Amino acid sequence: DAGVIQSPRHEVTEMGQEVTLRCKPISGHNSLFWYRQTMMRGLELLIYFNNNVPIDDSGMPEDRFSAKMPNASFSTLKIQPSEPRDSAVYFCASTSGIDSYNEQFFGPGTRLTVL
Amino acid sequence: GQSLEQPSEVTAVEGAIVQINCTYQTSGFYGLSWYQQHDGGAPTFLSYNALDGLEETGRFSSFLSRSDSYGYLLLQELQMKDSASYFCAVPYTGTASKLTFGTGTRLQVTL
Repeated sequence: DAGVIQSPRHEVTEMGQEVTLRCKPISGHNSLFWYRQTMMRGLELLIYFNNNVPIDDSGMPEDRFSAKMPNASFSTLKIQPSEPRDSAVYFCASTSGIDSYNEQFFGPGTRLTVL
Repeated sequence: GQSLEQPSEVTAVEGAIVQINCTYQTSGFYGLSWYQQHDGGAPTFLSYNALDGLEETGRFSSFLSRSDSYGYLLLQELQMKDSASYFCAVPYTGTASKLTFGTGTRLQVTL
C-alpha cells in the first residue's frame, strides 16, 4: 500500500485566497483525521471522520475551515479565506478502527504558507 | 480536559540509553501512545500501553503506571537516526479514538 497520500505537499498562497488540501487514506481504513502542526501550538486535531461521517469538528478553529469526506477514499480540508496565521503543516491520518490503540498512519503533510 | 507534560529537549550520546518521560491528566483513560517524528517528516507510531508495565519492541521500550498517570519511552543503544521528536498521546475524555498529543521531546543524539 502507498500509505496515506496528501496533496499538494507545499502550498504558498496569498491572504484571502481559498486553499484546498486533499487526502487519500489507506484503503480499508475507516477513520480519518486532520491535524495541524505549528511550533507554537504543537499537533492539534482539527476534525475526524468515521465511516465518512464527521464525528467531531470541535478542533476546527473557525468557520473559515471546512472538511468533507465524500467517500471512503477521499477527503478535503478547505480554508476560505486564508490568513497568515493559518500557515502550518497540515497532516491527514487514517486508522482501521476507532480505538486509541489503533495505530494512526500519517500522510507526509502539506506545508501551507499564507503570505 | 487533557494535558500532557514532556521535557522539551534531551541530548544523549550514541550508544547510550535515554528515557523520555510523560505525565498526563485525563479522565476515562484508555492508554498511552508514543509517536516519533523526524524533522520535516510525519509522525509515526511507536508503541501503545493500556496496562501497567513495560512493553519492549527492539531497542525501544515503553512503560506505563496508571496509578501515577505517568509513562516513559526508553531508547537503548542510541543511534544517530534516533534524533527526532517524540510525542506521547492520550485519548480525549469520552472517546477512544481522538488523541491529544504532548508538546514533544526533541532528542539530539551526538557522537
